[in-house]
Order: sequence, then C-alpha cells, then structure tokens
Amino acid sequence: NAGVTQTPKFRILKIGQSMTLQCAQDMNHNYMYWYRQDPGMGLKLIYYSVGAGITDKGEVPNGYNVSRSTTEDFPLRLELAAPSQTSVYFCASRPGTRQETQYFGPGTRLLVL
Amino acid sequence: EDQVTQSPEALRLQEGESSSLNCSYTVSGLRGLFWYRQDPGKGPEFLFTLYSAGEEKEKERLKATITKKESFLHITAPKPEDSATYLCAVQAGRNSGGSNYKLTFGKGTLLTVNP
Repeated sequence: NAGVTQTPKFRILKIGQSMTLQCAQDMNHNYMYWYRQDPGMGLKLIYYSVGAGITDKGEVPNGYNVSRSTTEDFPLRLELAAPSQTSVYFCASRPGTRQETQYFGPGTRLLVL
Repeated sequence: EDQVTQSPEALRLQEGESSSLNCSYTVSGLRGLFWYRQDPGKGPEFLFTLYSAGEEKEKERLKATITKKESFLHITAPKPEDSATYLCAVQAGRNSGGSNYKLTFGKGTLLTVNP
C-alpha cells in the first residue's frame, strides 16, 4: 500500500492563478479530508468527504473547492490564488465510522506570490 | 467549541532525560484523542488513539495517558531520533453539522533531544 499520496510536493503560484492539489489513497477508505497547516498554528480543516459524491465544508473553506468522484481520489481546487493561501496542505483518510484514526499524506507546500 | 492546548510549545532534553508533554482539551463528548508525530517537511504520523479516561497506550519509549481534561505523552529515556513536533488532536462525539468527523488539533510541542 502506498497509503495517502499527494502531488505536487511544492508549487509556486502567482496571485490570481488556479491549480488543483491531487490526493489519492489506496486503502479503500471512505472518509477523506483536506487540512492546511500554517506556521505556529494547528491544522485547520478545509473540506471533507464521507464517500464518493459526498463532500462538505470544514472550518476554512473559502477560496477552495473539492470533488469526490471516486473512493480513491479527493482533489482540492484553488481558484484565484491569494497570498493568504500560502500554506502546507495535507490530505488525510480514515476507514469508516468505527475507526477514527486519520492517516495523513506527505503534504503539498504552496507559495502564492 | 472544541479546544486543544499543548504545552510546552518547545522542549529541549538531553538524551536519556525523561519528560512529559501535556495536551489539555475541551470537547463536547470525547470520541477519541489522538497523538501524532510530525517530522520537518513531512505529514503527521499516527502514534496513539485514546478513547476514555484511564486508558494508556505504549510504543517503544512513548506512553500516552488520558484523564477527563488532559492527556500526557511520556517520553522515557529519549534518543535524538525522537526529536520531532508532537501533535495532539480530539474528535468530538456529538453529531451536529458533520462536526463529529473533524479533528481539532493543538499547535504542537517541538521536542529536541540532544545527544
């Protein structure tokens, strides 16, 4: 199992550009999450999904969009990038309702200039 | 609102010097408390899940304990390779607006173990 994989590892965007952060898991997990981590702060939930076709907002969804067309993939879309979106983004997954532990990917570092 | 406070923010130990990290939490019905280790430039790595007061989990030099208000991560005879940021997170047991699905994280404790 590769676990949770994320691409790219690092990206520089100009203000106003758009991009998609990719996340995939090969563990057949139903739940998937996107977090952002800013220096000195705890991880904040952006969006989550409880299964293919079902997504919902977390604490900090503004400026982002997600889709979940398959169990394996959960891409995060940034539209009109802003400097405030400079952060490290982590994708996570967990099996289901009775298993609470979330497993994280290696992260994508994004710099918006 | 769920809250997690970790202390200290940073801890520097000598190799072999045992200590504890603290995680104080406020949550409406604890569904689980999680400890993760995060190395620089990496994603959080799962260590332990604790579900109720009095529970203990151990792994090598690490032992996690929990009460109704706080959790401790005890590090016995640490080695330099234990240097990392340790994150604590809680999941609420209530079912409202999907909030029972999310983890609330503390800011972490940066542990440095000197040889």
